[in-house]
Amino acid sequence: QVQLVESGGGVVQPGKSLTLSCTASGFTFSNYAMHWVRQAPGKGLEWVSVLSYHGRNRKYGDSVLGRFTVSRDNANNTLYLYMDSLRSEDTAVYYCARDFLLFASGSYPDHWGQGTLVTVTS
Amino acid sequence: DIQMTQTPSSLSASVGDRVTITCRASQGIRNDLVWYQQKPGQAPERLISAASTLQSGVPSRFSGSGSGAEFTLTISSLQPEDFATYFCLQHNSFPLTFGGGTKVEIK
Repeated sequence: QVQLVESGGGVVQPGKSLTLSCTASGFTFSNYAMHWVRQAPGKGLEWVSVLSYHGRNRKYGDSVLGRFTVSRDNANNTLYLYMDSLRSEDTAVYYCARDFLLFASGSYPDHWGQGTLVTVTS
Repeated sequence: DIQMTQTPSSLSASVGDRVTITCRASQGIRNDLVWYQQKPGQAPERLISAASTLQSGVPSRFSGSGSGAEFTLTISSLQPEDFATYFCLQHNSFPLTFGGGTKVEIK
């Protein structure tokens, strides 16, 4: 079955950078767009980014545009999120999620991982 | 950006109650709306897509309706396992936007 495992979370100082990874299995990774969604502690869900199945089309949420970069390695079934200039308000659990549609630039998150916590604090 | 206003933000209900949650979009989104359920410490799970299409395996007590800018998730007879937080998501245009969530608690 679809399995997504996020890693790379941790404690980081404001202004620093961090890269998250999401390793996929149980489906043909290169056929699906992939999303990042985050959830601040005790808060709601915020969509962060999507990357098309081929890696050529990217979209970002307003609050991370210009600071975060999504990428993928289809040969190794891995999605990445490079986060730069981190702020305290970036503190959240970050989920990766597979898109619903095949061969799309992105529709909506379908299968989700269990998330990795990023804490931005001095 | 499309804003999604979800109401109520929380509710208390008893087992067997009928529960209705509403999401209103700031502009028309056709039926490009998904409902998720999230239990504490877990990732969200898709319940309904295309505003009213039930995900395989989701009990029939869940239903979704609406099109355009107003959408409803209904649980016809609340069960103990339904106590959770529910979110709507519009995918009509980027950036995707979620409703603020509705926490369904036990009365």
